[in-house]
Amino acid sequence: SQKIEQNSEALNIQEGKTATLTCNYTNYSPAYLQWYRQDPGRGPVFLLLIRENEKEKRKERLKVTFDTTLKQSLFHITASQPADSATYLCALKRLGKLIFGQGTELSVKP
Amino acid sequence: DTEVTQTPKHLVMGMTNKKSLKCEQHMGHRAMYWYKQKAKKPPELMFVYSYEKLSINESVPSRFSPECPNSSLLNLHLHALQPEDSALYLCASSQPGVTNEKLFFGSGTQLSVL
Repeated sequence: SQKIEQNSEALNIQEGKTATLTCNYTNYSPAYLQWYRQDPGRGPVFLLLIRENEKEKRKERLKVTFDTTLKQSLFHITASQPADSATYLCALKRLGKLIFGQGTELSVKP
Repeated sequence: DTEVTQTPKHLVMGMTNKKSLKCEQHMGHRAMYWYKQKAKKPPELMFVYSYEKLSINESVPSRFSPECPNSSLLNLHLHALQPEDSALYLCASSQPGVTNEKLFFGSGTQLSVL
C-alpha cells in the first residue's frame, strides 16, 4: 500500500537558519507532490506543488525538490523566522485521493 | 473569495445526539471533501464528492452521513457517535481535473463526543 514518511516529527532550528524537511514515499510514482502548512486548530494551507518532470520549484523563501529516483521530496525554508513555526505536511494524490504524510512540526527559535 | 467556511467551530455532543457539520465555498469548485484529523496525526480522507455525487467513501461507519445539497454546500450528519470519534473535522474543496489540483481547507470543526 502507499506509504508517505516525513523524516521527523519535530524539528527545532534557530532563526535565520535554513530548515530542511524530508518526505519519502513508496509503492507509487505520483505525477506531482504537494506541500501544505498547518497551524494549530486550523486547516492545512497549500504552499507548493512540484511535478514529476520538475527538479526544483521556488516561491519566495521556500524551495522544493523532487527526486523520482529516490522517491523523495525536500522542502527548504531559507532565512527562517519564528512565524514559520507550524506543522508542514507533504501530500500526494493516488486514485483520486490526496493522502498526507504525518507531518513535521517545525519550531523556529528567536 | 478563496475561503471555505465551516460551522460550527466547536461542537460537544452526547452519544445519543444527532448533529450536523456544515461547509460552504463560493470558488466554483466542483469537488468537496471531508477529512478527519486526530491530534498530532495527518488528515485522513473520509468522503469525496465530485460534481455533487459521492465518488469516494473510505469505508466510513454509517453513523457519519455526508450530503451535498448543491455545488457550494457540503454537510456531514452525525448520529450515535462514539467518544473515539472526537477529532477535528475538516472540509476542503478543489477544482477537479486541473493539473495543479490543490485543496482549499476550512478551519475545521473541533468535535468532542462525551
